[in-house]
Amino acid sequence: QKEVEQDPGPLSVPEGAIVSLNCTYSNSAFQYFMWYRQYSRKGPELLMYTYSSGNKEDGRFTAQVDKSSKYISLFIRDSQPSDSATYLCAMSLMDSNYQLIWGAGTKLIIKP
Amino acid sequence: EADIYQTPRYLVIGTGKKITLECSQTMGHDKMYWYQQDPGMELHLIHYSYGVNSTEKGDLSSESTVSRIRTEHFPLTLESARPSHTSQYLCASSRQPLTDSPLHFGNGTRLTVT
Repeated sequence: QKEVEQDPGPLSVPEGAIVSLNCTYSNSAFQYFMWYRQYSRKGPELLMYTYSSGNKEDGRFTAQVDKSSKYISLFIRDSQPSDSATYLCAMSLMDSNYQLIWGAGTKLIIKP
Repeated sequence: EADIYQTPRYLVIGTGKKITLECSQTMGHDKMYWYQQDPGMELHLIHYSYGVNSTEKGDLSSESTVSRIRTEHFPLTLESARPSHTSQYLCASSRQPLTDSPLHFGNGTRLTVT
């Protein structure tokens, strides 16, 4: 069983919709959670990160962590065609100097 | 604009050839990484470095080697390429510690071994 599970999609929604992307994990010791966005033929870029349970908001993006359920989510409001990309979740232990555990990514398509 | 550069972007090469994938960063980051990414699969760490003259193997077994002679440069070498090496290779860098600094990725080298 993978340490981090992420639905590969593709997830196709109309422009303006609210998008929910999710990851579940098995290691309750994970403390640091990230979302990366990867456009086609590009490297991943950090979108959001959080250390704790609860919500963190940045513009149209909200990251949510529920440690009791071992579940993280990324919400995108007012989705735009430019949001079409693959979204990767990643997480680590707080004392890890190098090791991120990655989800396989969800491909998101926003239809104009 | 990318501050971490990978060359070549695409490489098609025959079995048995020696290849070096180049990675350079201009951010002065101490830590650098090589990841392998296959379609629909999670990123796997194959090598990392804490700084000059430091190299470590990651979790994914790899027949490649790396060197870190200069802070900004972290090349990956395959002595004898095989079709199983066909993949996308991503280079990344960060400050220390990782939990205070995001990974900055290059745009990758897509390698095809025929």
